[in-house]
Amino acid sequence: GAGVSQSPSNKVTEKGKDVELRCDPISGHTALYWYRQRLGQGLEFLIYFQGNSAPDKSGLPSDRFSAERTGESVSTLTIQRTQQEDSAVYLCASSLTSGRWTDTQYFGPGTRLTVL
Amino acid sequence: AQTVTQSQPEMSVQEAETVTLSCTYDTSESDYYLFWYKQPPSRQMILVIRQEAYKQQNATENRFSVNFQKAAKSFSLKISDSQLGDAAMYFCAYRGNNNDMRFGAGTRLTVKP
Repeated sequence: GAGVSQSPSNKVTEKGKDVELRCDPISGHTALYWYRQRLGQGLEFLIYFQGNSAPDKSGLPSDRFSAERTGESVSTLTIQRTQQEDSAVYLCASSLTSGRWTDTQYFGPGTRLTVL
Repeated sequence: AQTVTQSQPEMSVQEAETVTLSCTYDTSESDYYLFWYKQPPSRQMILVIRQEAYKQQNATENRFSVNFQKAAKSFSLKISDSQLGDAAMYFCAYRGNNNDMRFGAGTRLTVKP
């Protein structure tokens, strides 16, 4: 496909369960970003990958959150022992490079996570 | 840390009229990028326009233009000839040297027919 894809589009889980969210970036994009968007709020930066390394993990809200990326492709965001406060839309974006002057981020449609 | 402020939670405009959405930011960096993104109900974030801080000329994309005031740290979006399809949440964003993006809280734009 031409754009960033994310799966699942919706996820309902019970408090305490682990969840995995997947992001497929645009082919050839080396940089990948995860954001969280709580209802009615702006985007909150979580983590950024350049290739499969994550130079900036400063936005991860707790040690229950982790992310991996395989090469310059798929990334998974894992939330362990989910809490109700984790309920949000999780958005993924990719960009061609991490160079400051070239990288426009293209966003996926997001995964809506609901923790009961 | 850089912060982005959108002081208008909601705005409305009559179809075919012009509306301006406000955005201010705080930074100590001299080189950075600013963006406006549109988020319709589908949740897809769509890039509307971007501005490089080192360029004095305001960016323009068809009906969308910005008023970039670097000294005032202001970056407003003007939508001319508003259309029903422009109705969405609009987010202002800042990208600096460390490559993360900081977003404002958003402005919900309603377009009245």
